[in-house]
Amino acid sequence: SQKIEQNSEALNIQEGKTATLTCNYTNYSPAYLQWYRQDPGRGPVFLLLIRENEKEKRKERLKVTFDTTLKQSLFHITASQPADSATYLCALQNYGGSQGNLIFGKGTKLSVKP
Amino acid sequence: GAGVSQSPRYKVAKRGQDVALRCDPISGHVSLFWYQQALGQGPEFLTYFQNEAQLDKSGLPSDRFFAERPEGSVSTLKIQRTQQEDSAVYLCASSLEWSNQPQHFGDGTRLSIL
Repeated sequence: SQKIEQNSEALNIQEGKTATLTCNYTNYSPAYLQWYRQDPGRGPVFLLLIRENEKEKRKERLKVTFDTTLKQSLFHITASQPADSATYLCALQNYGGSQGNLIFGKGTKLSVKP
Repeated sequence: GAGVSQSPRYKVAKRGQDVALRCDPISGHVSLFWYQQALGQGPEFLTYFQNEAQLDKSGLPSDRFFAERPEGSVSTLKIQRTQQEDSAVYLCASSLEWSNQPQHFGDGTRLSIL
């Protein structure tokens, strides 16, 4: 069956450390993968998009990797801050799937302690 | 406004009533998506429009769910004869094109069926 798994429901780290979140998928052939941030009571906010032929993408303190052999994406936040505390969602669009709709994981709730 | 706007933010209805949820996408965005998000889960795709055409409604859970976007801008998601299992947050998203683009989400409508 097709699955997207974000390996931790919750991740607690100390301020200043690097947070690493994992997204694994099975039985999909994604054209690209996106990461979103969601705060309580709010809609998801787009962070980064990485295409299947890209290995790594960076934006300020954020870095995403995409390994189509391992069927895995890693999302890193360096020099983490309490303001980074939120739920992070990975999402992919499958080849052959509906035009544009995203398939989301359950999310990982990140807590950054001061 | 600059973002996707959804109304109402909260809706409480008795089982069996009909409800209508509205989405105002970002001006000029061709694609519009509806997702359903249960507590602690990622958003799940319901339906997709490109301009006024509903190209995919495969995610709608039953024939009680109906969506329209008659003029290619504002969209309405209607649920008839609501059931308790319809309680969830309904998210609307828009994007410039149909694929390979970030999706911009509204803050959702939280629907509670009593």
